[in-house]
Amino acid sequence: QPVLTQSSSASASLGSSVKLTCTLSSGHSSYIIAWHQQQPGKAPRYLMKLEGSGSYNKGSGVPDRFSGSSSGADRYLTISNLQSEDEADYYCETWDSNTHRVFGGGTKLTVL
Amino acid sequence: EVQLLESGGGLVQPGGSLRLSCAASGFTFSNYAMSWVRQAPGKGLEWVSAISGSGGSTYYADSVKGRFTISRDNSKNTLYLQMNSLRAEDTAVYYCARQTLAAAGIGHVDVWGQGTTVTVSS
Repeated sequence: QPVLTQSSSASASLGSSVKLTCTLSSGHSSYIIAWHQQQPGKAPRYLMKLEGSGSYNKGSGVPDRFSGSSSGADRYLTISNLQSEDEADYYCETWDSNTHRVFGGGTKLTVL
Repeated sequence: EVQLLESGGGLVQPGGSLRLSCAASGFTFSNYAMSWVRQAPGKGLEWVSAISGSGGSTYYADSVKGRFTISRDNSKNTLYLQMNSLRAEDTAVYYCARQTLAAAGIGHVDVWGQGTTVTVSS
């Protein structure tokens, strides 16, 4: 079954850029993932679908500052021109016909 | 506007039961598989269960298999989660989530509800 690994925390300065990583387990490097954002005290919000090719499709209303990319088993979420409202937990998600759906452990992003 | 609105959460004793509901609006409900995803206090997201758009296929995480039952009423645009034999470790915010396809085993989540809180405690 696929396992998604994320760093527990990240930080970056207001106005700068940050790149968050979600790593797929061995044998699952071609899997498509999705990124979700969860601001403090709120429900998660879908950000984008990201393929192994690096092609991504964002959800409605997601700012242009959010982009995705891929390299091997790694899936990246890049946030440019960081804003205070970007301080949140970020989760990656994938799926498998056997184990169904899995989420990464989440990365807590702090905007300094 | 696409919207998911959960209800039915509350405080229940260990071994008790609870039924969650999720009212969907703004889209053709039967065209989409649906999932329940939970989040224990201070923890990450955990997928619980999913159901296909027709309701003919259901899936469960091992942690709830045999205790929880997912169902849907497409005539009422409503998703349900019947939770029996509840344990302290089931304490969490439960989110209703729409998947991108009618088949439950594929596709990602693209819409989330606001969540309903379930507390299992004596």
